[in-house]
Amino acid sequence: DADVTQTPRNRITKTGKRIMLECSQTKGHDRMYWYRQDPGLGLRLIYYSFDVKDINKGEISDGYSVSRQAQAKFSLSLESAIPNQTALYFCATSSRDRGFYEQYFGPGTRLTVT
Amino acid sequence: GQNIDQPTEMTATEGAIVQINCTYQTSGFNGLFWYQQHAGEAPTFLSYNVLDGLEEKGRFSSFLSRSKGYSYLLLKELQMKDSASYLCAVSGSYNTDKLIFGTGTRLQVFP
Repeated sequence: DADVTQTPRNRITKTGKRIMLECSQTKGHDRMYWYRQDPGLGLRLIYYSFDVKDINKGEISDGYSVSRQAQAKFSLSLESAIPNQTALYFCATSSRDRGFYEQYFGPGTRLTVT
Repeated sequence: GQNIDQPTEMTATEGAIVQINCTYQTSGFNGLFWYQQHAGEAPTFLSYNVLDGLEEKGRFSSFLSRSKGYSYLLLKELQMKDSASYLCAVSGSYNTDKLIFGTGTRLQVFP
């Protein structure tokens, strides 16, 4: 079984709709992240959370919100989706098991906003 | 500002050696990562450098020069399955461990 899972894997939605992307992990890590990936722009950090009560904005948080329901769950919401939020979204967790913070990525959610 | 530069695309032949360069300018430095990402899949960890020098791991090696703001990933004995994007990322701060990613280098390996 995958350690970091994301649902849905693919989603097509219309402009103005509210949508939630979910991330779950069985790795027991405290730190979780949401990124988006666009062609030619690389991975950009949207939000990150170091524990259930600690949530922080990343470099591109406008138009997004998050909820850390439990250590294992971190959800990303688009309150009113717009076409330029069409992207590949990744959730990640991290730990210092190897002496440095290595990030483990989920399989991604491909979101299309029409 | 914070900036990470790497070539957009590279091509190489099966069995050859390829070097992917990365230069960075960040406000802090707590290590440099290389990730591999096959098309449509999740990035997976390849290497981490925090001290100057070369780290070797099988067919892959990674080098860091902090004074030059420079790293490279060296792939030896290339295989077709090495066709992927290679992402350079810098951790700017110990406390936050946030990563700043470059745009990635798409490597195509030809027979």
